Amino acid sequence: QSALTQPPSASGSPGQSVTISCTGTSSDVGAFNFVSWYQQRPGEAPKLMIYEVTKRPSGVPNRFSGSKSGNTASLTVSGLQAEDEADYYCSSHGGSNNWKVFGGGTKLTVL
Amino acid sequence: QITLQESGPTLVKPTQTLTLTCTFSGFSLATGGMGVGWVRQPPGKALEWLAFISSNDDLRYSPSLKSRLTITKDTSKNQVVLTMTNMDPVDTATYYCAHRIPPGPSFDYWGQGALVTVSS
Repeated sequence: QSALTQPPSASGSPGQSVTISCTGTSSDVGAFNFVSWYQQRPGEAPKLMIYEVTKRPSGVPNRFSGSKSGNTASLTVSGLQAEDEADYYCSSHGGSNNWKVFGGGTKLTVL
Repeated sequence: QITLQESGPTLVKPTQTLTLTCTFSGFSLATGGMGVGWVRQPPGKALEWLAFISSNDDLRYSPSLKSRLTITKDTSKNQVVLTMTNMDPVDTATYYCAHRIPPGPSFDYWGQGALVTVSS
């Protein structure tokens, strides 16, 4: 059982927007601005898409955005493209006793 | 350009100790704030963080695996080594090493991963 809760699946049509949630607790997501999101395509290593809740690494399209409210973080993908189809994992700092925790992952399907 | 590469056995027997090496380039663990972590992923399952080491020897371990893990660094060789004792078939997974963006626990560069199978 993962420490952070994500929906197992999400979907949208090309051009639409989709939001993936990541629910933690007041000890992890709610306590720190260290939420990150990773994209993983089949057979590939994870790729960092968002870090520190809202920051995008160089090269990540601005169609990807992150936010947080209370104990829940969200990843929004705007203007969906076929290449966005992948698994997405959220992660958070969990304090001194649990430096990094992952969610169970969400499979994003572009219809 | 930052790159990382995992190396180690592809097959280990139950109860054996796994030793994985992460060899990296493009940064140095002699530089303040730098760090390398390990993450694994069983086939078809989610990512699981294992361990982290920083340039100032800050060591962090997954609470559920802490008793079995040791992470060390060799700054002169640009390597980080992860050992996991008492391997079990449930530890079969792809093991990744990754570079972290200071100061938090986000990983921006990842190795390609090393599949380790635990079987007799």
